[in-house]
Order: sequence, then structure tokens, then C-alpha cells
Amino acid sequence: EVQLVESGGAVVQPGGSLRLSCAASGFTSGDYAIHWVRQHPGKGLEWVSLISRDGGNTHYADSVKGRFTISRDNNKNSVYLQMNSLRGEDTALYSCARDISGSYDLWGQGTLVTVSS
Amino acid sequence: DVVLTQSPLSLPVTLGQPASISCRSSQSLVYSDGNTYLNWFQQRPGQSPRRLIYKVSNRDSGVPDKFSGSGSGTDFTLKISRVEAEDVGAYYCMQGTHWPYTFGQGTKLEIK
Repeated sequence: EVQLVESGGAVVQPGGSLRLSCAASGFTSGDYAIHWVRQHPGKGLEWVSLISRDGGNTHYADSVKGRFTISRDNNKNSVYLQMNSLRGEDTALYSCARDISGSYDLWGQGTLVTVSS
Repeated sequence: DVVLTQSPLSLPVTLGQPASISCRSSQSLVYSDGNTYLNWFQQRPGQSPRRLIYKVSNRDSGVPDKFSGSGSGTDFTLKISRVEAEDVGAYYCMQGTHWPYTFGQGTKLEIK
């Protein structure tokens, strides 16, 4: 089955760190750019970060720039999001999505990150 | 960044009636290759988003033909010809023409 599965979400204190994983199955993740998108509780969708197919290009939303780092291991068919200096406003459901021609044709179910003391 | 403004934000609809959602962009979504990368996603309660429409009017495989997309330039519309109970949820437009990709605020469709 073609799918993306996220993991790594947890409750973390402000200032803490987390590493999210996005595992692809049923396709070769290295054939696609992968994005992280988040959704604050009860709110809309916010793009967070992108990594190109070979990992050579990365982009970040201004709200996470300098704190989050996206990476990938195509041998493991996985993409990661290292999240440092977490803030309350980072509390959200984080999903990875497959990029195809200016769109997302595949989303994961998401992993919940809660930043709270 | 490109701002996408959806209206209405809340859409109560009677079963069997049509529904329409507007998405207006702060700038043209026509890319240099001639394509317009405007997408529509449906998010049912408790589920992840599912793409319905890509490049303005192309329905994804398995999407019922009651969903249709139209528009050009900066103004786009998603129409549902006959709303059913399974259509309840949030609908988002999203542009992939300009970097970074951006989403509309979302429209919550409910049954009246």
C-alpha cells in the first residue's frame, strides 16, 4: 500500500526538542520532494518545510526557520523533522505530504506535538 | 507570500442541495509553464486531507463527479452538485504556483 506514516510526536516542555519521522511505503520516497505541514488544534493548514528529492534543497516557513531542520535518508525511505527550541505555538498535528507538480497527492495521518509545561 | 481567501468560512447546506466555495488569490496563479496550480482538498472530521481537484479542474481518481472545480487567474470555485452527509468537513484551496505553497483558511461544510 502506498502510504506515509509519521511518528515521534509527544508532549514536550517549552524549549525542548523532538524529532519527527515520516516513513514512506509502497513507493520510492527519493522520487519525490516531501513537505511537512502542520495543523494547530481546530485550525487550518500551515506549510512548515520542504526537502527536495535528493535532500540538496530545503525550505522553511519563517515561523520555524532557525529552529527546525528537515532531512531525509532515501536508503531508509524516510524524511525527518528535527524540532528544537519548541514553543507553545508549535503545538499542532504534523503531517508529511508527497509533492507532485505543485500539489500534494498523498498525506500521512499525522503525529501530534504538544508543547506544554 | 500568496494569500488565498476562501468564502464562505462556514457553509450550512441542506442535504441534496448544491454548494459552492470561492477561493481568491492575491496574485495570479498562472505559472510560467502555462499551468495553474490551484488545488482543492477535503478534510473529513478526524481524517487527514484528501485531494479532490488539482490544476483547477482535474478530479482525482475516485472522486465523485459531483465535485467540480473551475476558475482562472485569481478566482476559483469548488462546486458540489448535491451535498450528502459524507461531504461534511473542511475544504481548503491550496496554491502550488508560487513559493511557498499556501492554503486558504478553510471552509467548514455542515448539514443544515
